[in-house]
Amino acid sequence: DTAVSQTPKYLVTQMGNDKSIKCEQNLGHDTMYWYKQDSKKFLKIMFSYNNKELIINETVPNRFSPKSPDKAHLNLHINSLELGDSAVYFCASSLTDLSYEQYFGPGTRLTVT
Amino acid sequence: AQSVTQLGSHVSVSEGALVLLRCNYSSSVPPYLFWYVQYPNQGLQLLLKYTTGATLVKGINGFEAEFKKSETSFHLTKPSAHMSDAAEYFCAADGGATNKLIFGTGTLLAVQP
Repeated sequence: DTAVSQTPKYLVTQMGNDKSIKCEQNLGHDTMYWYKQDSKKFLKIMFSYNNKELIINETVPNRFSPKSPDKAHLNLHINSLELGDSAVYFCASSLTDLSYEQYFGPGTRLTVT
Repeated sequence: AQSVTQLGSHVSVSEGALVLLRCNYSSSVPPYLFWYVQYPNQGLQLLLKYTTGATLVKGINGFEAEFKKSETSFHLTKPSAHMSDAAEYFCAADGGATNKLIFGTGTLLAVQP
């Protein structure tokens, strides 16, 4: 009974393709996040949704589009993939948007060739 | 804006030795503070957190951290390192008016036999 799960775990694709990463949490949390971890392990928030509403939208290329069909799911769609998109993408959740304690998924390692 | 600094991107200790990982935050108002651990190819796991109250916080796996307002620090310690402690450790602080977690750049802990 994984708390925050992501699929796929690994994703290898070519430049120019479109891909999606899915995230689900079964903790009953209201808020979900997407983070990007680069090759130097630096973690940067990309988006946050609270009860299906976008509340954080960092300076991210508009090729990245998050979608939250319900508060337990937050998907990330990436159009026209570029080499620089290669990274590990983490989904996380927190009880509310005022809760800083976040629970992370296992990550999706995206490699763009 | 809040920033988190982790001194030492790599720390190496011998098994059984003291572990000390350093973290400093920048805000004048004491933030909520967190330590996360990331084992190879896994997501981040919360080790411990400081919100209010007792400044010495105990976490999982024998780790503890002390909040020192005068030094704007939240260093992580463990009296005796174990091989299984080898991982990347991230310090994080709340972003103040935003509901973002601000992460440090991480410290890779190596434990030598």
